[in-house]
Amino acid sequence: GAGVSQSPSNKVTEKGKDVELRCDPISGHTALYWYRQRLGQGLEFLIYFQGNSAPDKSGLPSDRFSAERTGESVSTLTIQRTQQEDSAVYLCASSFRAGGDEQFFGPGTRLTVL
Amino acid sequence: DQQVKQNSPSLSVQEGRISILNCDYTNSMFDYFLWYKKYPAEGPTFLISISSIKDKNEDGRFTVFLNKSAKHLSLHIVPSQPGDSAVYFCAASMNSGYSTLTFGKGTMLLVSP
Repeated sequence: GAGVSQSPSNKVTEKGKDVELRCDPISGHTALYWYRQRLGQGLEFLIYFQGNSAPDKSGLPSDRFSAERTGESVSTLTIQRTQQEDSAVYLCASSFRAGGDEQFFGPGTRLTVL
Repeated sequence: DQQVKQNSPSLSVQEGRISILNCDYTNSMFDYFLWYKKYPAEGPTFLISISSIKDKNEDGRFTVFLNKSAKHLSLHIVPSQPGDSAVYFCAASMNSGYSTLTFGKGTMLLVSP
């Protein structure tokens, strides 16, 4: 079966532009997570969706970051007015339910802000 | 403030020997721990987990040990194989796992033939 997919795989943008990253979770997974990994750092939690509950946005670094998820399907992470420090690999993961179960990760989107 | 710490950024081991990857945590509310493995240009993949009600969990060549009093866990790989070369992330969660994961920075393992 298909795993978690993310698009684009690479994105180069200019400082100040907006970017939108997409995640297609595994079908039937109710929980979806966004993380980022900056160079030399670990995975940094950004936001998590669980079913129709309000998302946990506690990891979003600033109000330039937002994410949406329609039902239990696709999610988009939007970064407005990108800054150079936003350069990172953005990883999406899904799991059958929140926590407990292992998370299945996508390959990530490498974002480079010039 | 890092709640999950992997103090060794890298580890080199010879094929056939034991690899021991260490992880420390500071939040006593963590009660569920996981190890993920990551190859370059791929997302992390789940390896093994342990609940705080246990002190050991074994799956083939991989064993995770948990020392709650020391807030320390370790991953043992025996015998190590060149294909094990990857970055290993330790992660922790609360509420018996029903919360988001907090990851360490990872340890790069290199297993040489």
